[in-house]
Amino acid sequence: EDQVTQSPEALRLQEGESSSLNCSYTVSGLRGLFWYRQDPGKGPEFLFTLYSAGEEKEKERLKATLTKKESFLHITAPKPEDSATYLCAVPRRGYNKLIFGAGTRLAVHP
Amino acid sequence: EAGVAQSPRYKIIEKRQSVAFWCNPISGHATLYWYQQILGQGPKLLIQFQNNGVVDDSQLPKDRFSAERLKGVDSTLKIQPAKLEDSAVYLCASSLGFGTDNSPLHFGNGTRLTVT
Repeated sequence: EDQVTQSPEALRLQEGESSSLNCSYTVSGLRGLFWYRQDPGKGPEFLFTLYSAGEEKEKERLKATLTKKESFLHITAPKPEDSATYLCAVPRRGYNKLIFGAGTRLAVHP
Repeated sequence: EAGVAQSPRYKIIEKRQSVAFWCNPISGHATLYWYQQILGQGPKLLIQFQNNGVVDDSQLPKDRFSAERLKGVDSTLKIQPAKLEDSAVYLCASSLGFGTDNSPLHFGNGTRLTVT
């Protein structure tokens, strides 16, 4: 069964303390892995798409990487405004629809 | 460009009542999705439209949920009758192309439904 697992469920960081979020997936024939950011009371906001192992994408303090079984979202020197839930998603095998993980709730404190 | 519009933002109903949600996608986006997000979980796809045709509704509880996308633009999602477990945020999303092929989903801010 296609599945997406994110860890940790919650992460608390001090401002400037770098860390990584993990997204592992079980789906054959990966056709992309998507990262989204979700703020409280808002819909998910698209961040990155990764298509092949070894690929990296960057946006401000965020860098996403992809291997054959998992993806990491690295946060370098985070700021309080980076606090949000980060969701990853993969297209379900044979269908053009996204399966989402449960997300990692990130809190960055000054 | 204007984003995905959803209304209402909040709705509180009693169980066994009915409720409807409305979504207007980004102009020109062919594909429209309704997702259900229960507190603490990731969004789960309920139904996917390509223009005004249903592509996938395998996860839609058809005994109580219905959706339509008239004229291939805006869409409504209805629940009748509602159950306590339907309490969730209902997110509408749209994409330019067909699903995920180089075409990220753009989400609205959702409707938070509370069933008492």
